[in-house]
Amino acid sequence: AQTVTQSQPEMSVQEAETVTLSCTYDTSENNYYLFWYKQPPSRQMILVIRQEAYKQQNATENRFSVNFQKAAKSFSLKISDSQLGDTAMYFCAFELNRNKLVFGAGTILRVKS
Amino acid sequence: GAVVSQHPSWVICKSGTSVKIECRSLDFQATTMFWYRQFPKQSLMLMATSNEGSKATYEQGVEKDKFLINHASLTLSTLTVTSAHPEDSSFYICSARDWSGLRSYEQYFGPGTRLTVT
Repeated sequence: AQTVTQSQPEMSVQEAETVTLSCTYDTSENNYYLFWYKQPPSRQMILVIRQEAYKQQNATENRFSVNFQKAAKSFSLKISDSQLGDTAMYFCAFELNRNKLVFGAGTILRVKS
Repeated sequence: GAVVSQHPSWVICKSGTSVKIECRSLDFQATTMFWYRQFPKQSLMLMATSNEGSKATYEQGVEKDKFLINHASLTLSTLTVTSAHPEDSSFYICSARDWSGLRSYEQYFGPGTRLTVT
């Protein structure tokens, strides 16, 4: 079974600074997808970024980028120039065969002014 | 982007009654829909996957007779919590996928429904 581990329950960062959220996963498969989702206080799930396992290049979306280390089964999210609106719970998720998502426990990120 | 709505956003019901939650894809055809449950400050746990016109596939440990899922059309799925008890109180989230779309890799999430059973 696939598992996703987020070892940081809570993190804080000052506005405009950079923060990295960690995620590791476990699978014996070779082709899969990885995602980071954001859940703000409204509780609406928002896709932040995704990565296909067969792509070596790390995905980037504006201020958000990932460090995908396939051999280490690591998928961290870097948020640059943190903004107050980035305050949310962030979930790392794994998907195999475009089937169902398996979520990590989540990391609460607080951006301080 | 694609929009998924849920209704109601918040419902309070008495123990022993049933409550229905609707999930609609507003601007695309959702061939597959997912239902999740989320407790406060915890992760999303998949309850079941449904494909239009087929019976839902439930995750291990989820009582199919208690959580009835109907995906009768390409734009509507419903979750009915039967004989609700206080322990069923939770936040229920649906998501939908359009396999025919350019963004078929993405699940579009609804805003969630808070269920409180008294």
